[in-house]
Amino acid sequence: RKEVEQDPGPFNVPEGATVAFNCTYSNSASQSFFWYRQDCRKEPKLLMSVYSSGNEDGRFTAQLNRASQYISLLIRDSKLSDSATYLCVVNGYHGSSNTGKLIFGQGTTLQVKP
Amino acid sequence: AAGVIQSPRHLIKEKRETATLKCYPIPRHDTVYWYQQGPGQDPQFLISFYEKMQSDKGSIPDRFSAQQFSDYHSELNMSSLELGDSALYFCASSFWTSGGSYNEQFFGPGTRLTVL
Repeated sequence: RKEVEQDPGPFNVPEGATVAFNCTYSNSASQSFFWYRQDCRKEPKLLMSVYSSGNEDGRFTAQLNRASQYISLLIRDSKLSDSATYLCVVNGYHGSSNTGKLIFGQGTTLQVKP
Repeated sequence: AAGVIQSPRHLIKEKRETATLKCYPIPRHDTVYWYQQGPGQDPQFLISFYEKMQSDKGSIPDRFSAQQFSDYHSELNMSSLELGDSALYFCASSFWTSGGSYNEQFFGPGTRLTVL
């Protein structure tokens, strides 16, 4: 079982739609959570960090539920340019030590259609 | 703003050859991470360095080694290349804050290695 699990999709949505991605992680010691976006054959780009209180950046809202070890990303008013793979990412821990490494989910593919 | 620089961007090697990948972190970032992404897979952590010392090691083959230099750039050395080493190799950098939480990592454009 992967340490970070995501539904790979693809999610095919029309422009203007609201879409939500979910992710679960297995290490309850994890403290840092992120969503990255990756376009085909390009580098992952940090979309947003996910804080305990939840956070919003324009059309993007991220939520964290530590009790359920669950992270979500909501995209409102989808644009064609939002088409990409969205990677749920968790900081790796060894015991109580934050090792700094990132552990990636397998990614969720979003395709926004006109 | 300056980003992470990686070179070369593309590299083609034969089996059993060696390769050296270079990474120049964002200015003032003190931590460098290397990741490998195979076709259709998510990035896998290889190794990291903080202030020129190895800080963590992941699923990196013994044939690979890396180091961080005094100017904070890092090199990943790969020997006895195998077909399965064909992948995208990303370098990321961050500034390691006190407590280590939320060390946001920024990725370079990657080196695409093809082993024939």
